[in-house]
Amino acid sequence: SQQGEEDPQALSIQEGENATMNCSYKTSINNLQWYRQNSGRGLVHLILIRSNEREKHSGRLRVTLDTSKKSSSLLITASRAADTASYFCATVLYNQGGKLIFGQGTELSVKP
Amino acid sequence: GAVVSQHPSRVICKSGTSVKIECRSLDFQATTMFWYRQFPKKSLMLMATSNEGSKATYEQGVEKDKFLINHASLTLSTLTVTSAHPEDSSFYICSASSQTNSPLHFGNGTRLTVT
Repeated sequence: SQQGEEDPQALSIQEGENATMNCSYKTSINNLQWYRQNSGRGLVHLILIRSNEREKHSGRLRVTLDTSKKSSSLLITASRAADTASYFCATVLYNQGGKLIFGQGTELSVKP
Repeated sequence: GAVVSQHPSRVICKSGTSVKIECRSLDFQATTMFWYRQFPKKSLMLMATSNEGSKATYEQGVEKDKFLINHASLTLSTLTVTSAHPEDSSFYICSASSQTNSPLHFGNGTRLTVT
């Protein structure tokens, strides 16, 4: 079963604007990861945040994690048309052998 | 960076036939590989966890006899869709990790169409 709920399901913005995607989950996690998927392709890992971390940055990406609310957000700053893709959060549960359970995803469209 | 190769990228087969999909970790050893299925505009659904040298662990609702998984070596896992039906048409993606709880490296997926 899928653990993560993401919102919005779809997001359309102009180049240069910031994009924020949210993810909620249900059970305790070891870490939470964000992935990107271009249409019809595999997934690319973006960033991993551990359960004892609250915020992490990587280039134009900023991820927050609130374990008390069981939620995470991904912020893409100064978006570009090339950021157009689907973004998924995924959780690694404790004692589950490292398997990753994906959220429903947010389809981001960045218009030039 | 770590690379996972998945083959074929696209396959069309007739109902009743079997299709084998290969997943290889090219530059690292993967004791565990994961197989996912994705429907159009949907999320990835974990089908099974494949452990080298042992039987795969299937998620609830996934038919073991329909989706045969073999993980014969530290760099190769295969998924065989047996007696395929049109409802098996989907996008299948494998992934592998060199360490538990580390990021997964994904293959580029296999688009299966059963006619």
